Amino acid sequence: RKEVEQDPGPFNVPEGATVAFNCTYSNSASQSFFWYRQDCRKEPKLLMSVYSSGNEDGRFTAQLNRASQYISLLIRDSKLSDSATYLCVAPDGNTPLVFGKGTRLSVIA
Amino acid sequence: DAGITQSPRHKVTETGTPVTLRCHQTENHRYMYWYRQDPGHGLRLIHYSYGVKDTDKGEVSDGYSVSRSKTEDFLLTLESATSSQTSVYFCAISETIPMNTEAFFGQGTRLTVV
Repeated sequence: RKEVEQDPGPFNVPEGATVAFNCTYSNSASQSFFWYRQDCRKEPKLLMSVYSSGNEDGRFTAQLNRASQYISLLIRDSKLSDSATYLCVAPDGNTPLVFGKGTRLSVIA
Repeated sequence: DAGITQSPRHKVTETGTPVTLRCHQTENHRYMYWYRQDPGHGLRLIHYSYGVKDTDKGEVSDGYSVSRSKTEDFLLTLESATSSQTSVYFCAISETIPMNTEAFFGQGTRLTVV
């Protein structure tokens, strides 16, 4: 079974802080990667896709390190609304997604 | 939002009874999945489907069966519910496998087995 490991949470950070999560994957054949966001008692929703070295969308940056087999998610200028659980996904071919257990972020006023 | 709905949204059932959860999509996506989510375990795949009448097991398939007689519907059946099956169940859909495009999730079904 292919494994995806995430930083344990929770991360408690003040508003305005920069926070980063890491996610390691075991299958070197994985070509694309995803970060999903899940709010409390809600379904996961796609936050970012990473197909090459990285991706940036506003305050969010996802980076890929193939040599060390990890992806990271950086959130700058954290907002209260960023409080959620962040799930890492590393597809590995023709099998359904294996999700990491998630990293919980709490942004505190 | 993607057209994917789960029913029921909440259910309480007794141990030993059969339970069927329904996932309905209006996106015409080929692939459909059932996951369960429990504290400390994250999302775990139960079963998935890659077309009408084509299904396969996931990592936690024991005690569950599925059926897909139409593209739009994917049913998950707990043959004889047990307390260990108390969980939140999510259905997901995608155009491709292994979800190189965005996967969309239903809102979840909270199942309690007493």
